[in-house]
Amino acid sequence: GQQVMQIPQYQHVQEGEDFTTYCNSSTTLSNIQWYKQRPGGHPVFLIQLVKSGEVKKQKRLTFQFGEAKKNSSLHITATQTTDVGTYFCAGPANSGYALNFGKGTSLLVTP
Amino acid sequence: SQTIHQWPATLVQPVGSPLSLECTVEGTSNPNLYWYRQAAGRGLQLLFYSVGIGQISSEVPQNLSASRPQDRQFILSSKKLLLSDSGFYLCAWRQGASDTQYFGPGTRLTVL
Repeated sequence: GQQVMQIPQYQHVQEGEDFTTYCNSSTTLSNIQWYKQRPGGHPVFLIQLVKSGEVKKQKRLTFQFGEAKKNSSLHITATQTTDVGTYFCAGPANSGYALNFGKGTSLLVTP
Repeated sequence: SQTIHQWPATLVQPVGSPLSLECTVEGTSNPNLYWYRQAAGRGLQLLFYSVGIGQISSEVPQNLSASRPQDRQFILSSKKLLLSDSGFYLCAWRQGASDTQYFGPGTRLTVL
């Protein structure tokens, strides 16, 4: 079945270093979404990418959707302690009603 | 604006006891509703989703059931809890054709 895979599972960086998480789908996606879950909190929607090759920025966060619409990345420039959390990517499931979430990348930033 | 509520926030239950978790959404009508479970330090497992009153789709056969008695109310239940039912239960909603889901604050369930 359709799968969404994310790497790495964990990443530990020093504050100020960059961070990237990668997401790969076994099938072409109509869109891909990114969510952030802070420790102890719930996932919060960050952004949706729809177009092939699309790049969107939110301050220090850069999101990319691959040309084949099967992969995506989230890059954080100069991480801060407020970036700590787990980042999930998600693509629409075949049912049309659900999302297939990746297993997430947990980011730890030490000052 | 839309808001989603879940209660209780935390729950400690003995093995074999029943469970009822409630989720309500305000500020929207006919949303799609979802129940997820997240084990400690793990990903999101979709348990059930509903596209309308009385309509429930089960993604994973297990010790749980879901019901949607009203348009904006989604309930997760169990007749007898197992140790493996412990986890963080999240309710989410989405509106219309958009794929974006919005999550509630969650319920942390510990089964002892």
